[in-house]
This record gives sequence, C-alpha cells and structure tokens, in this order.
Amino acid sequence: ETGVTQTPRHLVMGMTNKKSLKCEQHLGHNAMYWYKQSAKKPLELMFVYSLEERVENNSVPSRFSPECPNSSHLFLHLHTLQPEDSALYLCASSQEGGASYEQYFGPGTRLTVT
Amino acid sequence: AQKVTQAQTEISVVEKEDVTLDCVYETRDTTYYLFWYKQPPSGELVFLIRRNSFDEQNEISGRYSWNFQKSTSSFNFTITASQVVDSAVYFCALSEESPTQGAQKLVFGQGTRLTINP
Repeated sequence: ETGVTQTPRHLVMGMTNKKSLKCEQHLGHNAMYWYKQSAKKPLELMFVYSLEERVENNSVPSRFSPECPNSSHLFLHLHTLQPEDSALYLCASSQEGGASYEQYFGPGTRLTVT
Repeated sequence: AQKVTQAQTEISVVEKEDVTLDCVYETRDTTYYLFWYKQPPSGELVFLIRRNSFDEQNEISGRYSWNFQKSTSSFNFTITASQVVDSAVYFCALSEESPTQGAQKLVFGQGTRLTINP
C-alpha cells in the first residue's frame, strides 16, 4: 500500500446508524486531516491532528467524532447524521514542520445519509 | 481572513488548446504558501505544485506552468496543448497560519471544472 488509503469508498447509512470511516497513511507523516466536500461548496476542513493530538476543530457538530490512535491511522465516527451530511469525506496527511509541506489526500469516502 | 477565489466555475475547450485557470487570493500573512491540486473523477486530490510567497519565479513542468504575481495576488495555472486526461476539477489553495506549529490549514477555492473535448 502506498499513499493515503480510505475505507470504505462508499457508504450509505440511515440517520440512526453508527458507522466509522477509516484513513491510513503510509507516508511516514505525523499530521492528519479530515475534510468535507459537498456539492458546490469549497473543501471544508473538519479536524486536524498533529502528533496524534487534535489541534483544530472547525466547529464541527458533535455527531462527528474523530479518533487518531497513532500517526498512521485516523477515524471519523459517525452517529445520528442528517441528510445534509451527505458528502465526500477526504482524509489527508502531511509532515509537521511548517506550512510549506503539502498535504497528500486519500480517494475519499462517498457518504449518503438516507 | 484568508480567501481564495477561482472565478471560473467551468471551462470547456477542445483538445490541444491552451487553457489558463485563474486563482486570486487574499491574506494578511507575509509568509504563505500557494498550492494547486487536481481532482479527477476518482475523487482523490492530486498535489501539483507548491509555491512560497518569497518566490515569484514562474514554474514550468511539462505542459503545466504557473504564474505567481504578488502585485495582483494571483497564482494562475496554464495547461499547454491540453489533453482529454487533463479533464478534472482543479483547486487552488492557500496555507493559513495554524495556531500550532506544524499542522497547516489549507483554504481552498471553489474549484474549476475543466473539460477537454476530443
């Protein structure tokens, strides 16, 4: 495996379900990110983890709960979502050390909330 | 606050034409970084280039070139002799100062959907 992988690639869930999105990076990076990409909206940064500590939470509703057990893995736990949460969820990683380091993205999880 | 504007929502050209994607940014930072990403239909954002605010030299990579002009706060992207495989959504992004060293915050533009027709 290389780069950033995300599973599942597609997910359909009801509003009362609980599911988790998984992200794994194989680049030796120590910062990881969750983004939300909705139709006709810019990519929205949701969470940032640096050295496994959450350093940024952009006013995301509590029905989204991130978890970063180590520098290679990042989860997004979902519960009681709303239809407007349907979107492409992208994970990214970068190497801590300054703003110059580009982020590498995974293929995303296409989430549909019914 | 940082902001990135990509005024062109969609562009459609015929193969082999040159095409320029515009990007205008706003920031109060004196040190910042600009990026271009490509998002093909598969969904994954592919990193294309990074440019820091102190380097205004234009850059060329094969058929791709970038024109960074601080005077107009623009970082435009040109594809020469476009090909069908260039069809994708292209995003311009600006790094924002993070309160914590290291982890960066990227501010993205709305993206430009580029279609190259055979």
